[in-house]
Amino acid sequence: GQNIDQPTEMTATEGAIVQINCTYQTSGFNGLFWYQQHAGEAPTFLSYNVLDGLEEKGRFSSFLSRSKGYSYLLLKELQMKDSASYLCAVRDSNYQLIWGAGTKLIIKP
Amino acid sequence: ETGVTQTPRHLVMGMTNKKSLKCEQHLGHNAMYWYKQSAKKPLELMFVYNFKEQTENNSVPSRFSPECPNSSHLFLHLHTLQPEDSALYLCASSGASGDSSYEQYFGPGTRLTVT
Repeated sequence: GQNIDQPTEMTATEGAIVQINCTYQTSGFNGLFWYQQHAGEAPTFLSYNVLDGLEEKGRFSSFLSRSKGYSYLLLKELQMKDSASYLCAVRDSNYQLIWGAGTKLIIKP
Repeated sequence: ETGVTQTPRHLVMGMTNKKSLKCEQHLGHNAMYWYKQSAKKPLELMFVYNFKEQTENNSVPSRFSPECPNSSHLFLHLHTLQPEDSALYLCASSGASGDSSYEQYFGPGTRLTVT
């Protein structure tokens, strides 16, 4: 079966750095997405990785290793507004998105 | 209006009611999706429409019936639902469902409660 694993919840301090991991086992691979979802709101697109390596976008970076079936989202200089759920999703061989259950990130002052 | 809109935002219905959820996208996209989001569970893809044609139905019970009259509008018709159908229903759109680089844009969702 297809599976996306990510931690259920993480806590970090304002101004710090946090890394949210995602491991996947899917039938085929056509890219990995990270989304942010604030409570009661729609998921919003953060990043897309299809090749191995690090993609940096401001305070957020996303890394992919296809051989290890592994990705992480790195958030720097954490702000209170970064408190949200972070969803990892992989596009499989049928071009359908397989979603993880999300990681709830709690930022403390 | 911009982006993806959904109405209503909240809906409470009895198990014998019939209601419809509406989604509209103003992004010129060709693919639209319905997802179900339950607490602490992954997003569940329900239906996919590509250029108004249904291309995916992930074993969804027949009490959920989608309709896509054009590339900008998507409906989810609901009848004789069960309490376990209570969830957040999200609509999304993208350039085309077969293009791996297109991210999906989500609407704010309809919070459905079945009593």
